[in-house]
Amino acid sequence: EVQLVESGGGLVQPGGSLRLSCAVSGFTFSSYWMNWVRQAPGKGLEWVANIKQDGSEKSYVDSVKGRFTISRDNAKNSLYLQMNSLRDEDTAVYYCATYSPGYSSYWGQGTLVTVSS
Amino acid sequence: DIQMTQSPSTLSASVGDRVTITCRTSQIISTWLAWYQQKPGKAPNLLIYKVSNLESGVPSRFSGSGSGTEFTLTISSLQPDDFATYYCQQYHSYPITFGQGTRLEIK
Repeated sequence: EVQLVESGGGLVQPGGSLRLSCAVSGFTFSSYWMNWVRQAPGKGLEWVANIKQDGSEKSYVDSVKGRFTISRDNAKNSLYLQMNSLRDEDTAVYYCATYSPGYSSYWGQGTLVTVSS
Repeated sequence: DIQMTQSPSTLSASVGDRVTITCRTSQIISTWLAWYQQKPGKAPNLLIYKVSNLESGVPSRFSGSGSGTEFTLTISSLQPDDFATYYCQQYHSYPITFGQGTRLEIK
């Protein structure tokens, strides 16, 4: 059974940092590009970042460039999102998902990040 | 960035109806388009990829079509489980972008 389980969300003050993790099982993690996608409360889906199978290529939406870093550990079947300099507008449910080739067949259940003072 | 515009934003329909949701893109995206269904509190679920390819396990009442900058998702006969929000997504170029969503509600 395919499983993606996000963790690390929570309440953080503006300017603070969080590191999200996504533990995967049930498929060959190292064969997939991986995505982070977020959804602000009551809003639509927004792609955040993705990473190639070996970590050699990464892309980000402009609004998080320089603040967020996507990474992965294929030995641990895990995907990460380091989020620094958090802003109110980063408040959202963050989903990890596969991204091969371009669309997302598998998704986690999401983890809520709330940025508020 | 490629802008994605879905219409309508909200659609009221009844069980058994045939419904169509349209997604227009600001640039030609070839066939790099997917559709997702999302229910409240749940992650999105892939329905269609590459415009018209049905994801494994998705009922055949869902279909996709289109080309260039205009694409459609059709549900041939609505079932109670289909009332949800639907998103299109382009993966032609970065940044990957989604439509704003179409909420399908019971009439």
